[in-house]
Amino acid sequence: SQQGEEDPQALSIQEGENATMNCSYKTSINNLQWYRQNSGRGLVHLILIRSNEREKHSGRLRVTLDTSKKSSSLLITASRAADTASYFCATRKAGGTSYGKLTFGQGTILTVHP
Amino acid sequence: GAVVSQHPSRVICKSGTSVKIECRSLDFQATTMFWYRQFPKKSLMLMATSNEGSKATYEQGVEKDKFLINHASLTLSTLTVTSAHPEDSSFYICSARHSFVDEKLFFGSGTQLSVL
Repeated sequence: SQQGEEDPQALSIQEGENATMNCSYKTSINNLQWYRQNSGRGLVHLILIRSNEREKHSGRLRVTLDTSKKSSSLLITASRAADTASYFCATRKAGGTSYGKLTFGQGTILTVHP
Repeated sequence: GAVVSQHPSRVICKSGTSVKIECRSLDFQATTMFWYRQFPKKSLMLMATSNEGSKATYEQGVEKDKFLINHASLTLSTLTVTSAHPEDSSFYICSARHSFVDEKLFFGSGTQLSVL
């Protein structure tokens, strides 16, 4: 079952603005990852944050993780039209041995207008 | 970076036929590959975990006789949709875990299956 819930489901902004997407999950996790998917394509890994980390940066991306609230946010700064895509959070449950088995959220469709 | 190739990208078939989808890791060995199904504007639903040299592990509700998975080598996993029906029409995506690189997954570009 999909445990990740993302909001908003869709986000429309102008180029240059910041975009913030949120993800909530239900079980204890080992790590949380964000992926991007262009329409009709596979997913591309953006960033991974471990359960003992609170914030991580990568270029224009900033991810936060609040394990007490079981939530994460992805911030894309100074957005570009090329950032238009669907963004998914994915979690790996704590414990277990199924490395790589992720549960994906419902996704946020981001549209950046030039 | 690690590349996963998935073929075909699009397939149209008649009801009752079988369709094979290939997923290859081009520049790394993938002991584990994952197969997903995705409906339009929806999330990815994990169908099965494919382990090289052993039987695939299917998620609850996924018919293993309907969706045959073979992972005969460290670089190739195949998904065969047997006796396809219109309700099997969907976007199928594979991913691979690089044995030595963190825990991120590398995804194929997906296969759009349309069953007439």
